[in-house]
Amino acid sequence: ETGVTQTPRHLVMGMTNKKSLKCEQHLGHNAMYWYKQSAKKPLELMFVYNFKEQTENNSVPSRFSPECPNSSHLFLHLHTLQPEDSALYLCASSDDLAGGDTQYFGPGTRLTVL
Amino acid sequence: KQEVTQIPAALSVPEGENLVLNCSFTDSAIYNLQWFRQDPGKGLTSLLLIQSSQREQTSGRLNASLDKSSGRSTLYIAASQPGDSATYLCAVRPFRAAGNKLTFGGGTRVLVKP
Repeated sequence: ETGVTQTPRHLVMGMTNKKSLKCEQHLGHNAMYWYKQSAKKPLELMFVYNFKEQTENNSVPSRFSPECPNSSHLFLHLHTLQPEDSALYLCASSDDLAGGDTQYFGPGTRLTVL
Repeated sequence: KQEVTQIPAALSVPEGENLVLNCSFTDSAIYNLQWFRQDPGKGLTSLLLIQSSQREQTSGRLNASLDKSSGRSTLYIAASQPGDSATYLCAVRPFRAAGNKLTFGGGTRVLVKP
């Protein structure tokens, strides 16, 4: 596969469930990002990882727990979510070392919290 | 805190007409500005990136201008086609040392009628 992939594409979970979103980039980039896109709100940056180290946490509630085991994989662990957390979660990557500012996005995971 | 606004929120034009999409931002201390396209239920595709030192960028039928001092960017799409129907998002990156953290506008949803 090429580019940025995300699984699952759709997820429905109850408020007491624990689930994980997965992102994988096949571009050799050093930076990876999680974004949240809610209805009627601009796309919001959640977390930034650079060479597996978290460099940004945009005041995200602790019920969202990111994990970056290597530069190619990024996870978002979810537990005890609220219905207002229902949104499209987008992953992106970029090659900041080479001065590449463009972020490449995956197709997203559509999350519904019941 | 940087705020990015896109007006109008939605736009409908007949095929062949030129499209003009507007983006404004409150803090002119940006490193670059990007325009993205998002198709329904999908991730974002980068269209154009303008560095803060540039006035415009062109790619095919697309032309984006940047007036950093007034906090404005405009995306022009010439001779629109039904395939141009999508949501267009602009995003600004702060000064380079702050990292590749994008602030997005709410988007303009475009419909090109055959």
